[in-house]
Amino acid sequence: DPKIIQKPKYLVAVTGSEKILICEQYLGHNAMYWYRQSAKKPLEFMFSYSYQKLMDNQTASSRFQPQSSKKNHLDLQITALKPDDSATYFCASSQVREGAETLYFGSGTRLTVL
Amino acid sequence: GDSVTQTEGQVTVSESKSLIINCTYSATSIAYPNLFWYVRYPGEGLQLLLKVITAGQKGSSRGFEATYNKETTSFHLQKASVQESDSAVYYCALSDLGGSNAKLTFGKGTKLSVKS
Repeated sequence: DPKIIQKPKYLVAVTGSEKILICEQYLGHNAMYWYRQSAKKPLEFMFSYSYQKLMDNQTASSRFQPQSSKKNHLDLQITALKPDDSATYFCASSQVREGAETLYFGSGTRLTVL
Repeated sequence: GDSVTQTEGQVTVSESKSLIINCTYSATSIAYPNLFWYVRYPGEGLQLLLKVITAGQKGSSRGFEATYNKETTSFHLQKASVQESDSAVYYCALSDLGGSNAKLTFGKGTKLSVKS
């Protein structure tokens, strides 16, 4: 059974609209993250949350807003969508320990913005 | 900033043949970053294949090996005899934060296809 659930698997949106990507983890981890991979680019770190608090934000645009309603949830709200936002978005989690944690990833949400 | 460069695109290898996927890195904020190989099987999320946090050491898992070479700043992934079940996308990555391996810099990924 997948321990990190991302919904939906595929998402098509029109330019200017807003979407929410869902992520739930059932590993009991205390930290969650979002990464993104656009076509022909590496995976890029976006956000990290620890104990439901934002720890690091590498996303320049305020159109991307993580939302953590429960400690095992970290959704990603994207507003005013642009075609450049088309990418696969990966949620991940870890148990934070000094220099030792391993990231566990979900299977991703592939977003296409038309 | 940090960067990871790995064998680009797709690699096709016949079953039971050897494999090498090249990975070189550049870390600007730390001399000896932690190095990782992640693998993504079809329909699944990325999962850790192996990691090495000490320069000069070798990591191994599921028949794969990678040696942390600080002189050449490389971390090539090797396997002596691949199987069809190894078909997946492989990602080399580094972390440069002293206390966390969570903020990773990835390469673009290399898709391995093993033909029978």
